[in-house]
Amino acid sequence: TQLLEQSPQFLSIQEGENLTVYCNSSSVFSSLQWYRQEPGEGPVLLVTVVTGGEVKKLKRLTFQFGDARKDSSLHITAAQPGDTGLYLCAGGIQGAQKLVFGQGTRLTINP
Amino acid sequence: DTAVSQTPKYLVTQMGNDKSIKCEQNLGHDTMYWYKQDSKKFLKIMFSYNNKELIINETVPNRFSPKSPDKAHLNLHINSLELGDSAVYFCASSQLAGANVLTFGAGSRLTVL
Repeated sequence: TQLLEQSPQFLSIQEGENLTVYCNSSSVFSSLQWYRQEPGEGPVLLVTVVTGGEVKKLKRLTFQFGDARKDSSLHITAAQPGDTGLYLCAGGIQGAQKLVFGQGTRLTINP
Repeated sequence: DTAVSQTPKYLVTQMGNDKSIKCEQNLGHDTMYWYKQDSKKFLKIMFSYNNKELIINETVPNRFSPKSPDKAHLNLHINSLELGDSAVYFCASSQLAGANVLTFGAGSRLTVL
């Protein structure tokens, strides 16, 4: 059973479109992180959110942590080919000293 | 200058062999990890060490043995390799133990034939 479900798993859109990726769970997390992974590389942190309802912006990327700290979303405005990659959410489990990862969303932005 | 470096990047070997992957971090972090990423890109934690002490050992076959000679190094030795061990293995580190921000290495792709 997957603790964190990401949707969609695959998304291919045209340059300039907007998109949202979701990360859902029935568990409460102490924090939620988003990573981006490119082929042949390790995941790289984009953002950490820790407070329920928190919204963080990183240029054209907007991250939101759900009020109940069970879910998160990543919204990209005016997607560009450079946004192509595997996006992973990861939840911090209080007391368990570890992060659990979602299965990832493979995003392709076509020029 | 690489923050977390792991070697080798590619490893192709026969079933039944024993192999090792090495990892070093120069960030001064206290905690290091091994993650396994399968063909569907699912990242799963295997082990975590905090200051050379094992703190997380997920349900991993005991053919996998991590070793941390000091807090900047965490190596992974795998005995009697099986086909299902084929995956990309990532080393990572964080400043503190727990659900902290991870800095990953570039991964080691293991292929067992």
